Amino acid sequence: DTEVTQTPKHLVMGMTNKKSLKCEQHMGHRAMYWYKQKAKKPPELMFVYSYEKLSINESVPSRFSPECPNSSLLNLHLHALQPEDSALYLCASSPLSILLGNQPQHFGDGTRLSIL
Amino acid sequence: AQSVTQPDIHITVSEGASLELRCNYSYGATPYLFWYVQSPGQGLQLLLKYFSGDTLVQGIKGFEAEFKRSQSSFNLRKPSVHWSDAAEYFCAVKTGTASKLTFGTGTRLQVTL
Repeated sequence: DTEVTQTPKHLVMGMTNKKSLKCEQHMGHRAMYWYKQKAKKPPELMFVYSYEKLSINESVPSRFSPECPNSSLLNLHLHALQPEDSALYLCASSPLSILLGNQPQHFGDGTRLSIL
Repeated sequence: AQSVTQPDIHITVSEGASLELRCNYSYGATPYLFWYVQSPGQGLQLLLKYFSGDTLVQGIKGFEAEFKRSQSSFNLRKPSVHWSDAAEYFCAVKTGTASKLTFGTGTRLQVTL
């Protein structure tokens, strides 16, 4: 069982809809991540939050809006998405320390998003 | 910038046979290396990690990996593959204090009975 929980597991939405993806972890991790994964491809980093503040935005279009309400929750708000945004969206978390590099990321099972 | 290469897109092995998945990285210093596995419809599960010290690391599910600095490699091995090992395997690297994971393109493992 994964320790990072993502809801919903599946989401179908039209291009004019507004929806949100949710991610929750209770491991005390202070870094949280959003990735996008297309079929047969590796995950691509979208956003990184460190101590509830956005630290990395990989030039993601503004139709994706992340939010980190507290240290356990991470949301991804979706609006006016395009068909090419259909993908598996993965959330991950990791501990933060002075030596950031040596902490593995723990992934959720993802939300499979389909844009009609 | 760091990069990761997984030369094998698809590998097929018979159940009970040994397995080696290749991973090469490009970085000037010693990176932090990881192997993840992804089953269909699932997220990524950490198999093992290398930070420093012993170059042969043991992971979950009977997997191991060996860090070879001279070859810039971090190959994943398993002495006897089970049908449930069929999945996509990703090698990944983090460097220094950066929190970004750089993934290889993945190797799809098929296991025949």
